[in-house]
Amino acid sequence: ELKVEQNPLFLSMQEGKNYTIYCNYSTTSDRLYWYRQDPGKSLESLFVLLSNGAVKQEGRLMASLDTKARLSTLHITAAVHDLSATYFCAVDIVNDMRFGAGTRLTVKP
Amino acid sequence: DSGVTQTPKHLITATGQRVTLRCSPRSGDLSVYWYQQSLDQGLQFLIQYYNGEERAKGNILERFSAQQFPDLHSELNLSSLELGDSALYFCASSVARVLGANVLTFGAGSRLTVL
Repeated sequence: ELKVEQNPLFLSMQEGKNYTIYCNYSTTSDRLYWYRQDPGKSLESLFVLLSNGAVKQEGRLMASLDTKARLSTLHITAAVHDLSATYFCAVDIVNDMRFGAGTRLTVKP
Repeated sequence: DSGVTQTPKHLITATGQRVTLRCSPRSGDLSVYWYQQSLDQGLQFLIQYYNGEERAKGNILERFSAQQFPDLHSELNLSSLELGDSALYFCASSVARVLGANVLTFGAGSRLTVL
């Protein structure tokens, strides 16, 4: 069974600091997605990674995918309060989409 | 508005009861996914339908069932409800490409409270 593990599950950061969220998965896949969920809201797509070595960046967030290591990272640069949310990675195996447990990020001034 | 419509938004019911959650996918999307989100269990995949047929099944309890109708809307039926079924239930849809991106568009969710 496909397992998707994220760490850390909880992350409290100071504004201006950098940090990385990790997403490991247990079976071969070259399709990985990152989603963001604000408190009380639904999930929104952030990044789509479709091949080994794929890197996507938007603003202070950068996502990468290493399919050989079965690892994706979400790097946060110079965090700001607006990035406070829960971040999920999701792995796609022939349209069977499994999500990690989520990383709840809190950015403090 | 994501284009995925879920009803009802909130539902309060008693243990032992049965409820139906409804989802209308985004226009053009053939695939519907159901997820359960509870505080202690994250986002749990329940079931996926593609163009009316079940495609993948996750940790869906036998008390739960779902279907996708010819007009592509989907319903999730939850019966013999227990306190632990209280959760936010999300529906998501996608075009379900075999190759390329398969980004899910989520509805706003249906919050079920079982008392």
